[in-house]
Amino acid sequence: DVKVTQSSRYLVKRTGEKVFLECVQDMDHENMFWYRQDPGLGLRLIYFSYDVKMKEKGDIPEGYSVSREKKERFSLILESASTNQTSMYLCASSVAGGNGEQFFGPGTRLTVL
Amino acid sequence: DAKTTQPPSMDCAEGRAANLPCNHSTISGNEYVYWYRQIHSQGPQYIIHGLKNNETNEMASLIITEDRKSSTLILPHATLRDTAVYYCIPRKYSGGGADGLTFGKGTHLIIQP
Repeated sequence: DVKVTQSSRYLVKRTGEKVFLECVQDMDHENMFWYRQDPGLGLRLIYFSYDVKMKEKGDIPEGYSVSREKKERFSLILESASTNQTSMYLCASSVAGGNGEQFFGPGTRLTVL
Repeated sequence: DAKTTQPPSMDCAEGRAANLPCNHSTISGNEYVYWYRQIHSQGPQYIIHGLKNNETNEMASLIITEDRKSSTLILPHATLRDTAVYYCIPRKYSGGGADGLTFGKGTHLIIQP
């Protein structure tokens, strides 16, 4: 069974802390994505990666960075967390050249106090 | 990307067919129609997609009108586990697979026992 896992389901951090969100997929997918989902705003793309060490900005990259050192792992970094980054964070992966289907992890609900 | 209009909520009796409409009157010729759903507290799940022909898979059927301005997702025999928010997403697909998704507000489908 295909799987995308995220390091935490719930996370509480303080303003100014550095936050790491980890995502691992076991499907050998080339593409990986980080989204945030907020009530009333829907799903928004933060960053994506189409290969190891490659990254592209999505629609809302400000305040975030990413790292992809291995094909199966894609990390989202909040350099200095702020309260407006309180959100549900979703990781997804897809195969290059496939039908566009993305496989999502269960999400991390991050609260920044 | 084209904008979509979906009813905010719908009810359907268990065992009946659930028909979820989506209006995407500004869809362009190279945009596919993708459907995803999100069960409470889970990540989104791909259901089906199509360009202009009707499509069917093990989960659902997709009916796209001839002018492509609207589509209907059909769950043939709805179960309680189909209670979820359903998203209709017109989306260009470049073939590489590294295209982000943008969800709107979707339709909250509630299956009644």
